[in-house]
Amino acid sequence: QLQLQESGPGLVKPSETLSLACTVSGASMSSGSYYWVWIRQPPGKGLEWIGSVYYSGRTYYNPSLKSRVTISVDTSNNQFSLKLDSMTAADTAVYYCATLRVATIYFDYWGQGTLVTVSS
Amino acid sequence: QSALTQPASVSGSPGQSIIISCTGTSSDIGGYNYVSWYQQHPGKAPKLMIYGVSNRPSGVSNRFSGSKSGNTASLTISGLQAEDESDYYCSSYTSSGTLYVFGTGTKVTVL
Repeated sequence: QLQLQESGPGLVKPSETLSLACTVSGASMSSGSYYWVWIRQPPGKGLEWIGSVYYSGRTYYNPSLKSRVTISVDTSNNQFSLKLDSMTAADTAVYYCATLRVATIYFDYWGQGTLVTVSS
Repeated sequence: QSALTQPASVSGSPGQSIIISCTGTSSDIGGYNYVSWYQQHPGKAPKLMIYGVSNRPSGVSNRFSGSKSGNTASLTISGLQAEDESDYYCSSYTSSGTLYVFGTGTKVTVL
């Protein structure tokens, strides 16, 4: 059974860079069956796709965040990562890592999520 | 790309059926059969309930069904149960540039 676990700081100062990692277990990241995805949800609000990375390193970003986002993959360590620059209070959210099934396009496995608060 | 439009809330009594709508455009719901639905209990991660408009993953109750007509997708919950009380989100692939868009979310209340 594929499992995902986010890790990273729960508190980030304004203007700093958020760095999160997602550890994958129960599946090979190189199988080609999935895109590896970051999604966020501000408190009390809806879901927002941040971006995706394929095992090859090819990335896809939400245009609204593209200038600040970097997603990378490390298949040898079964991890993929998110960096979000110039954090503001508007970036306060629960950040989820998830899988996006190739070809059929749905998010089938999700991590438990990690709350990131932007505050000085 | 704006979020897909869902009603803020839908309610029903145990045993009844309810329908949650999800309205988009021809660039997303109307143009592709890549509509999925997610259930999210408070403090939990979303759970996939429907994919490809009307397909249920293994383990999801057959009380949940999906459909699409034009630019609107629908999730039907039949035989409503207390455990169905949750937030529900639709999602679709979009050709607009955002690639994947979610709905505004619907809170289902079991009366």
